[in-house]
Amino acid sequence: DSGVTQTPKHLITATGQRVTLRCSPRSGDLSVYWYQQSLDQGLQFLIQYYNGEERAKGNILERFSAQQFPDLHSELNLSSLELGDSALYFCASSPTSRDRRSGTQYFGPGTRLTVL
Amino acid sequence: GQQVMQIPQYQHVQEGEDFTTYCNSSTTLSNIQWYKQRPGGHPVFLIQLVKSGEVKKQKRLTFQFGEAKKNSSLHITATQTTDVGTYFCAGRHAGNMLTFGGGTRLMVKP
Repeated sequence: DSGVTQTPKHLITATGQRVTLRCSPRSGDLSVYWYQQSLDQGLQFLIQYYNGEERAKGNILERFSAQQFPDLHSELNLSSLELGDSALYFCASSPTSRDRRSGTQYFGPGTRLTVL
Repeated sequence: GQQVMQIPQYQHVQEGEDFTTYCNSSTTLSNIQWYKQRPGGHPVFLIQLVKSGEVKKQKRLTFQFGEAKKNSSLHITATQTTDVGTYFCAGRHAGNMLTFGGGTRLMVKP
């Protein structure tokens, strides 16, 4: 158990819909990262937040957005869903984004999104 | 942009054989991390290498960081069925961004 929680575990929805994925980082971790992993694919970095502020953006579509709240939990919003958005979405947290030696990322169990 | 390439993409081995995955970056890295993802699971941190030429061992796993800090390798001696999974390297670039390689999926035949 990494200490990172994600809800829901599974989500099935239809094209055109909007969903929200939730992540609670490990206690004390300020950084939250979101990744997308399609079937048998690598980890595509989407976005990073640090203490409530956006820190880095990766290959995140305009239809996707995220935020980190004062209690440090984060939400990833996916809208106008397409079939190709079906994937595992992982959240990871790390103690800090500034100390290179503390950059270990702890991954949550993921949310499996299926778009029909 | 900054890229981290990992090869091979897939590797089938007989139990007891050795296995190696290689990671190459287009730019110098400040450090490199390795993660393992079991089938159906999430990536789990294995190790971090920081120094040029660094070598670290964890039981049957040997991790190396190249002298130029642009490449790394993970070698598993005498694979076991419990080694099955996808191994990812993740390189940290100067801007503090962590970039994951595409992963190497290891399959072990008993």
